[in-house]
Amino acid sequence: SQQGEEDPQALSIQEGENATMNCSYKTSINNLQWYRQNSGRGLVHLILIRSNEREKHSGRLRVTLDTSKKSSSLLITASRAADTASYFCATGGVQFYFGTGTSLTVIP
Amino acid sequence: ETGVTQTPRHLVMGMTNKKSLKCEQHLGHNAMYWYKQSAKKPLELMFVYSLEERVENNSVPSRFSPECPNSSHLFLHLHTLQPEDSALYLCASSQDGPRGGTEAFFGQGTRLTVV
Repeated sequence: SQQGEEDPQALSIQEGENATMNCSYKTSINNLQWYRQNSGRGLVHLILIRSNEREKHSGRLRVTLDTSKKSSSLLITASRAADTASYFCATGGVQFYFGTGTSLTVIP
Repeated sequence: ETGVTQTPRHLVMGMTNKKSLKCEQHLGHNAMYWYKQSAKKPLELMFVYSLEERVENNSVPSRFSPECPNSSHLFLHLHTLQPEDSALYLCASSQDGPRGGTEAFFGQGTRLTVV
């Protein structure tokens, strides 16, 4: 399967803490993308990292990519209650294959 | 507002009904996608259209029939569905076709319940 797999499946933290979630995949990729989904709604693109990049930042988001380990991580710093959502990684190549997501709960 | 609009937002249909889901994108993208999202499962890529031509069909049952009349519109025709087809159906579009590696823009989804 080409899909990414997120870990952990669920994560609960206090507001202000950092949240880290991981993604592993199985095949060669052109890029890896992270998306966010609020309950029962569509996915929103957060950030794209290309296979020749190792780290990328966007606001409070930091993404790393290790192609040798076929893994990526998403770090959300100084979390807010509004960050509560499910987060998915998607591998690019033959588009777009997603995992089951990490459900993040940020407690106010 | 992502520029991708899906209608209806909710749909309840019987197993003998025929209905259609509609997706419209106002972004000038060249590729459109249908995904199925069931509880506790990964998003399932159902169909991909690039420049109005179907380029991928992931072994989807024939009771699901896609139609892409132009680059801005995508339909999913439904007939003789089963209760296990109840799910959130998501439409997405991207600038490039498959393998292009650009981001996908999603609609809000249609919550389908088959009774």
